[in-house]
Amino acid sequence: QSALTQPPSASGSPGQSVTISCTGTSSDIGAYNYVSWYQHHPGKAPKLMIFEVMKRPSGVPDRFSGSKSGNTASLTVSGLQAEDEADYYCSSFVVNKNWVFGGGTKLTVL
Amino acid sequence: QEQLVESGGGVVQPGGSLRLSCAASGIAFSRSAFDWVRQAPGKGLEWVGFVSENGLVTWYADSVKGRFSISRDNTKNTVDLQMSSVRAEDTAVYYCARGTNYAFDIWGQGTTVIVSS
Repeated sequence: QSALTQPPSASGSPGQSVTISCTGTSSDIGAYNYVSWYQHHPGKAPKLMIFEVMKRPSGVPDRFSGSKSGNTASLTVSGLQAEDEADYYCSSFVVNKNWVFGGGTKLTVL
Repeated sequence: QEQLVESGGGVVQPGGSLRLSCAASGIAFSRSAFDWVRQAPGKGLEWVGFVSENGLVTWYADSVKGRFSISRDNTKNTVDLQMSSVRAEDTAVYYCARGTNYAFDIWGQGTTVIVSS
């Protein structure tokens, strides 16, 4: 199973919005509404930010939002803050009972 | 506090075996499914495998199928990853994560495995 495709980097200034894309296929993102997004500060445990395409776990700021169109999912971070600087990974359930992750996007807050 | 703590990482020779363990606390363990996810140096996350709540169902990534196995002990609140016939490409930080709503909502800090002679 090939990894989902994410841009290697994204950036924005404090207060701005940034959107990270995640492109898959009709066997993963296109087949299920089971896309999730994770924030990962190196050396720490990854943190779930979005599940089932657009749902936020308790405690995740509403500045984080998710969406999906066809085989592409997106994570939007609004009102960028310094602490948002991290690696972000998308993930999707796959038709053969696997999960697949994206290659990760390094978000830099300028 | 819900917590997962991995242990057992270290240096192992190619072709060798290693057993990783994940200890859970503050979690409804027997009602939770768990996964292992790894991150090779400089690479992204890679799903390794899944074990169901009762331990009877396991799924594995093609890259580890036949070499790795996942088990759990619901009396000790632990999930194990048995790694066999390891290869250089198995070098990674291994994370234990709870699976729910088709996502991974609780993660451990990870344990490092280095495959080297």
